[in-house]
Amino acid sequence: EAGVAQSPRYKIIEKRQSVAFWCNPISGHATLYWYQQILGQGPKLLIQFQNNGVVDDSQLPKDRFSAERLKGVDSTLKIQPAKLEDSAVYLCASSFESGNTIYFGEGSWLTVV
Amino acid sequence: AQSVSQHNHHVILSEAASLELGCNYSYGGTVNLFWYVQYPGQHLQLLLKYFSGDPLVKGIKGFEAEFIKSKFSFNLRKPSVQWSDTAEYFCAVNAGGGYNKLIFGAGTRLAVHP
Repeated sequence: EAGVAQSPRYKIIEKRQSVAFWCNPISGHATLYWYQQILGQGPKLLIQFQNNGVVDDSQLPKDRFSAERLKGVDSTLKIQPAKLEDSAVYLCASSFESGNTIYFGEGSWLTVV
Repeated sequence: AQSVSQHNHHVILSEAASLELGCNYSYGGTVNLFWYVQYPGQHLQLLLKYFSGDPLVKGIKGFEAEFIKSKFSFNLRKPSVQWSDTAEYFCAVNAGGGYNKLIFGAGTRLAVHP
């Protein structure tokens, strides 16, 4: 079974530039998550989709972060404009349905300089 | 608000030593509990989980965890660690409520020396 796919794996940008990350969840998984993991901390949920609807984006900095999940499959997370403190690993994850085990991708490492 | 506390940020052990990593959570209702592991350069992987039933849960690679409801704890244990257990370990709690929101602790970085 293919896992959660993410790209790009690594990205270095200057502050105030924009960046986009892509995620393809495990086939059949209705729930998709984006987490932010800052060095030395545990992952923090940014946004959670159920099919193509948002069910939780309470910790998403909406002035600069946006995410969409068109057609309820792939998802993109965008940051514009980036700040130094956005340097982190952005983890995409998926689960079959609410209450099931969540499976993580390898993450997209972002460095803002 | 729900939160997860992991007591040790860094643990250093010699091979064959016993391991116990602490995890406490704050939430008074029904919870699902998880331990995830992140080996160097790899993605987060599920180590074990507790949803209901026997509070002593066995996972992969000889790990186990015990859910003690009265203490709001879900400590991870392994009787004899190996060098290959060197990794970062995350405790996570899903407080349910209809949607599968997983809240993570800050993680414990384990280094096992041969």
